[in-house]
Amino acid sequence: GAVVSQHPSRVICKSGTSVKIECRSLDFQATTMFWYRQFPKKSLMLMATSNEGSKATYEQGVEKDKFLINHASLTLSTLTVTSAHPEDSSFYICSAPSRGSGGNTQYFGPGTRLTVL
Amino acid sequence: AQSVTQPDIHITVSEGASLELRCNYSYGATPYLFWYVQSPGQGLQLLLKYFSGDTLVQGIKGFEAEFKRSQSSFNLRKPSVHWSDAAEYFCAVGYAGGTSYGKLTFGQGTILTVHP
Repeated sequence: GAVVSQHPSRVICKSGTSVKIECRSLDFQATTMFWYRQFPKKSLMLMATSNEGSKATYEQGVEKDKFLINHASLTLSTLTVTSAHPEDSSFYICSAPSRGSGGNTQYFGPGTRLTVL
Repeated sequence: AQSVTQPDIHITVSEGASLELRCNYSYGATPYLFWYVQSPGQGLQLLLKYFSGDTLVQGIKGFEAEFKRSQSSFNLRKPSVHWSDAAEYFCAVGYAGGTSYGKLTFGQGTILTVHP
């Protein structure tokens, strides 16, 4: 299947700093990527849709000025958590669709564990 | 609005026993349905998917799932569980078109524990 990578896998930062997370589709191109957030022992919640060449689309309740998304190329999307606070600590996962017979299948990255002190 | 329900938060089975994880969805059109598995601290791995056609789909690691439109269900099954199957399992529904194309809505997840 298609491979999606994320970097870093784990990051610890101080409150007030910004953190950038990269999501790459390694063996396919993705004009769209998705960013999810997963709280401990919870399901995944879609945060935003990253669109190559245009602005990201955010889900209701997600602060677009806090979670900046840039889809720089057909294989790279970045999520920047700006002025991070402890409540931003979470597991962030990206996905990219790979078109196959019948429809798109989302392939997920391994996730990034963010801890804000 | 679409939704996915996994009624069982936690299931425990003995190694070698059969397994069924339940998933019910609410969606206005024919759904795209997925089952993913997540090990602790890891991303999600696709087990299987249903887009159309045969309602019984086979996946990796010996898993299968059956789409039942009349029951709005997409239950995951495995005839004989292995200790390595212990993980969290997520059912998801995907959008077939429009501005939400590609988005997934996830169920709450079912944690599977396997006893030796």
